[in-house]
Formats: sequence, structure tokens, C-alpha cells
Amino acid sequence: DADVTQTPRNRITKTGKRIMLECSQTKGHDRMYWYRQDPGLGLRLIYYSFDVKDINKGEISDGYSVSRQAQAKFSLSLESAIPNQTALYFCATSTWGSGREDTQYFGPGTRLTVL
Amino acid sequence: SQQGEEDPQALSIQEGENATMNCSYKTSINNLQWYRQNSGRGLVHLILIRSNEREKHSGRLRVTLDTSKKSSSLLITASRAADTASYFCSSNGNQGGKLIFGQGTELSVKP
Repeated sequence: DADVTQTPRNRITKTGKRIMLECSQTKGHDRMYWYRQDPGLGLRLIYYSFDVKDINKGEISDGYSVSRQAQAKFSLSLESAIPNQTALYFCATSTWGSGREDTQYFGPGTRLTVL
Repeated sequence: SQQGEEDPQALSIQEGENATMNCSYKTSINNLQWYRQNSGRGLVHLILIRSNEREKHSGRLRVTLDTSKKSSSLLITASRAADTASYFCSSNGNQGGKLIFGQGTELSVKP
């Protein structure tokens, strides 16, 4: 079984709809991240969480919100989706210490299309 | 702006040749990491080099780090068609924390 899973893997929705992307991990990591990837722009950080009670905005948090329901779960919501949120979304996990130094482990991605 | 910037943006070589990709960053770092991404898939960690290291090897990969120039390079020797992918560098600061990724180098290895 994959260590970092994302659901759904693909989603097509309409402008104005609320969407939730979910991420679960079995790696026991304390840190979790949400990125979006657009062609030619690389990965951009949306939100990150260093533990259950710690949530931080990334570079492009406007239009997004997150919830860290447990150490293993980190959800990303688009309250009112718009077409320029069409992208590939990745969840990642990491931990610090014991020489691991924030090596990140990525989920398989969610391809979101907003019409 | 991005912490890591890769150069070139795209690289096309023949199988068996070496591929070199460069990365520049802007602030002081704790470590620098390289990742690989096959089309449409999640990134996979390749190698990490710490700020007090200058060179590191892993199989056909060789990474160098020059903190005075705030730059790193990734060399893939004896490339294979299966090395075709995008390669990203990322770094974080002295207190750990979020990684900032560059835009990536798209490598194409032709058989």
C-alpha cells in the first residue's frame, strides 16, 4: 500500500462548487504539505502543517483552506472553485530530525479541472 | 519568487551521454535536495546534500554544492531512456521547515 494517498485522483467540477481534496499518510510523519503544479511554474506551496495544531499559509493560499484532522490526515478545500484553480495538486509529508531533514514523500496527485 | 531555480529548463541528450542540471538558490540553507518527477506523477526524492558537504554520490548521480555561489548541480552519468523525467531542486533554511521548489529541468533521453 502507498504511504501517502490522495483522493480523488481526478475530479471535474464547475465554477462555484465546493471541493475537498483529501490526503492520508501511514508514514507517521508530523509534517504535511499541499502543493499545486501548473505547467511551467513548478510546484507552489499552498499550505503546510508541522503538527495537528499548526497550520501555515504558503505562497498561494488565497482561495484555499485546510484542515488537519489528525496527524495522518490533511485536507485541502476550495470553497468556491474557479477555472484558474485547474491544476495538479500534490500532498506531501516529511519529518525533521534523525537525519531525515525534511525529505518529502509525495502522494500520486489529484488532477482537478474547474469548468 | 522561487528559492530554487533550475537551469536549463529543458535538456535533450542521447542515451549513454551525461546530463548536467544546475540549481541556484537565494538564502542560506540547511540542505538542498533533488527530486525526480515522471510525467503527471508525484515527486520522488533522489538525493540530499547538507550545507557543510561539497559533493555527494548515489549510484549514477553526483551532486555538488557551492554555498559561496548559492548553487548546486546534479550530474546523471551514462543516461538511460528511463531517466527521462523532470528534475527539481529544493532547499530549506537553517531551522528546517518548508521546502521551496524550483521550476524544474525537463530531461529527455533519446534511445
